Amino acid sequence: GQQLNQSPQSMFIQEGEDVSMNCTSSSIFNTWLWYKQEPGEGPVLLIALYKAGELTSNGRLTAQFGITRKDSFLNISASIPSDVGIYFCAGSGDYKLSFGAGTTVTVRA
Amino acid sequence: DTGVSQNPRHKITKRGQNVTFRCDPISEHNRLYWYRQTLGQGPEFLTYFQNEAQLEKSRLLSDRFSAERPKGSFSTLEIQRTEQGDSAMYLCASSLREGLSYNEQFFGPGTRLTVL
Repeated sequence: GQQLNQSPQSMFIQEGEDVSMNCTSSSIFNTWLWYKQEPGEGPVLLIALYKAGELTSNGRLTAQFGITRKDSFLNISASIPSDVGIYFCAGSGDYKLSFGAGTTVTVRA
Repeated sequence: DTGVSQNPRHKITKRGQNVTFRCDPISEHNRLYWYRQTLGQGPEFLTYFQNEAQLEKSRLLSDRFSAERPKGSFSTLEIQRTEQGDSAMYLCASSLREGLSYNEQFFGPGTRLTVL
């Protein structure tokens, strides 16, 4: 089963808003990754984090690797309609990824 | 396009039949992973290969499942005597076991299996 707790489970946001989602784990990970998945497709890698405390941006996306190595958050700034999708956090020790259950983002135009 | 490819994209089969899926990883990647995803959940790890060696299999991978990567390039996942509970999206991913990006796994589009 899933080891990671991801919240919120879903969110409706207004176009232009900033949104935040987070992920916590009972286990320590060496790497945190964030993926986005659209219906019928595989997850697409958005951001990878390798060091505790690391803050990394990719365009309007910003993610942080928690100091305890047991959590991470993802921010999306100035949301647009194409941000719709399911966002997954994933933690890794050395090879396999453990995923959260996802945050479904729906944008109101 | 040099991303991960999977075939077929969709497979509908009757209970009890055998099915086989293929994954072609990114060409320079030496690690290949299989995951299974059911509706409303994140992907769950099944197994992975480093080159042609299968290094770990999850408890989710029953005896009816077998995966191969004979030449360290493409991989196949076979499910024998399919059951309705096998219905899921089967995802393949690959990564390069070198450098700082060793855990960056890139996923294919998946194979959606429906067992009737």
